[in-house]
Amino acid sequence: EVQLVESGGGLVQPGGSLRLSCAGSGFIFSSYEMNWVRQAPGKGLEWVSYISSSGSTIYYADSVKGRFTISRDNAKNSLYVQMNSLRAEDTAVYYCARVLTRGIAAWGYWGQGTLVTVSS
Amino acid sequence: DIQMTQSPSSLSASVGDRVTITCQASQDISNYLNWYQQKPGKAPGLLIYDASNLETGVPSRFSGSGSGTNFTFTISSLQPEDIATYYCQQYDNLPYTFGQGTKLEIK
Repeated sequence: EVQLVESGGGLVQPGGSLRLSCAGSGFIFSSYEMNWVRQAPGKGLEWVSYISSSGSTIYYADSVKGRFTISRDNAKNSLYVQMNSLRAEDTAVYYCARVLTRGIAAWGYWGQGTLVTVSS
Repeated sequence: DIQMTQSPSSLSASVGDRVTITCQASQDISNYLNWYQQKPGKAPGLLIYDASNLETGVPSRFSGSGSGTNFTFTISSLQPEDIATYYCQQYDNLPYTFGQGTKLEIK
């Protein structure tokens, strides 16, 4: 059974940093592209970042470019996002999501989400 | 960025009704369109990918159609467990973008 488990969320002050992790199991982690998607309280879904299976290709939403860094450790079956210079508008539940299959950016598997709150 | 316009933003229907949600892209996205269902407090779940392909395990009352800029998501016979918010999402161009969501309620 495919499982994705996020961790690392919490309360952080504006300008602060946080690192989220996503542990994958039940599949060959190194074979799949991964993404971070977020959802502000009471709002819709927003794609944040993409990383290819090898980690060689990375994309970001403009709203986080230059502040967030996505990475993965295939040996540890883990996905990360380092979030710096956090703003109030980054407050959201952050989900990691796995593509259904290579080449189709349909996210067939999601973690349960981890809440990041940016507030003083 | 490609804008995805979903309508309606909310919908109230009775059990057994046929429900239709539309999603319009601001430019041609071929069939690179997915539909998700999100129940309160839960992560989204994939229902339809590539505009019309039903994800494994999803009930056949759900369907999708369309290509180019106009897409339709249909529930053929609404069930109580279908109460959720539904999102379309395009992946033709980065950044991947979602519609604003359609909140479906039982009348």
